[in-house]
Amino acid sequence: NAGVTQTPKFRVLKTGQSMTLLCAQDMNHEYMYWYRQDPGMGLRLIHYSVGEGTTAKGEVPDGYNVSRLKKQNFLLGLESAAPSQTSVYFCASSSSRPASTDTQYFGPGTRLTVL
Amino acid sequence: GENVEQHPSTLSVQEGDSAVIKCTYSDSASNYFPWYKQELGKRPQLIIDIRSNVGEKKDQRIAVTLNKTAKHFSLHITETQPEDSAVYFCAASMAGFQKLVFGTGTRLLVSP
Repeated sequence: NAGVTQTPKFRVLKTGQSMTLLCAQDMNHEYMYWYRQDPGMGLRLIHYSVGEGTTAKGEVPDGYNVSRLKKQNFLLGLESAAPSQTSVYFCASSSSRPASTDTQYFGPGTRLTVL
Repeated sequence: GENVEQHPSTLSVQEGDSAVIKCTYSDSASNYFPWYKQELGKRPQLIIDIRSNVGEKKDQRIAVTLNKTAKHFSLHITETQPEDSAVYFCAASMAGFQKLVFGTGTRLLVSP
């Protein structure tokens, strides 16, 4: 049981390049989330998904797109990277079962640098 | 929307002392309040949580208290150890869904 995994772990992009971050979970969770973490600002929600085929905007969605084609995967895309998107990106998942604890389980993170 | 404020931003204590981190939230409908610990270069990990129908919860050296009327909740760590050194984040659920709003974090340093 790997929990939540993310690929890649590190990436350096040039301004204007595109990339996709992959999140995978093997806990059969319905809900998945993408956060970015910047110094002094905590974790901010970019986009989230309540189930396969559904996505919604979070607190800071501009410049990002997401897709949830399979229940276990949640992809975060940057179409045209900007230096302001330099950050550590965390994926998380949680269960929707009524008896669940609402706990969000986090992946190991992806450190992205945009030059 | 929900807003969570966390204080202090840094906290230095001697080993064996207690540490207290405080958070306030704005949405009175929030009903779930987790605390995460994040070690350097690692992922945030849940250490304790509390729901709005409970006033206090303890797990060994860690406790969380919730004051719904004042809309604040606190993390208490007793008998601190150097391995408690990390960044701690509080969070509050947004009404009606499992989305969390996080505080800005507290860097705790426990000196031997």
